[in-house]
Amino acid sequence: AQSVTQLGSHVSVSEGALVLLRCNYSSSVPPYLFWYVQYPNQGLQLLLKYTSAATLVKGINDFEAEFKKSETSFHLTKPSAHMSDAAEYFCAVTSYSGGSNYKLTFGKGTLLTVNP
Amino acid sequence: GAVVSQHPSRVICKSGTSVKIECRSLDFQATTMFWYRQFPKQSLMLMATSNEGSKATYEQGVEKDKFLINHASLTLSTLTVTSAHPEDSSFYICSAREGLAGGPLSEQFFGPGTRLTVL
Repeated sequence: AQSVTQLGSHVSVSEGALVLLRCNYSSSVPPYLFWYVQYPNQGLQLLLKYTSAATLVKGINDFEAEFKKSETSFHLTKPSAHMSDAAEYFCAVTSYSGGSNYKLTFGKGTLLTVNP
Repeated sequence: GAVVSQHPSRVICKSGTSVKIECRSLDFQATTMFWYRQFPKQSLMLMATSNEGSKATYEQGVEKDKFLINHASLTLSTLTVTSAHPEDSSFYICSAREGLAGGPLSEQFFGPGTRLTVL
């Protein structure tokens, strides 16, 4: 079964600093990977997804992630943190659930705080 | 982008009562909807997948008689927590997928969530 592991439940950075949120996957087949962001008391918003078309994926709000098969990783980065980036970030992988359905399996999340 | 709404956003109820949560796709037809449960500072756990017009598929360990899911139309799915107890208190989030074709890359659009507190 496909799964993802997020390293670090809490990451704190200064405004303007590099953001690095780590995600490793486990999959017996080529994975389809996603990063979502959740602001307090809100649902999830898709940041980006890996489609196997390119290993470096660019998403919204200047976030990007690089798929590294050799390291089974899909880490999320942003060159310069903004206060508005403070949120919970979830890595997820798609797995087949029968019929025509695919489901998302989420990591435990990483809370990003941005200090002024 | 596609919008999914949930109602209510917050509900407090007494133990033993039933609570219904609605999930609507506002500007697209959702053939498949998903219900998740999220405990404080934890990840989303998929509870069930519902396809319009058919019975929901529940994940292992989720009581289908406890959490009733109805996906009666292409824009509405409901989750009813029956005989709620304090341990059912949680943040419930729905998501919807557009169109007939699923596929591993088909995007899910998430609702804002419903916070249920059972006293």
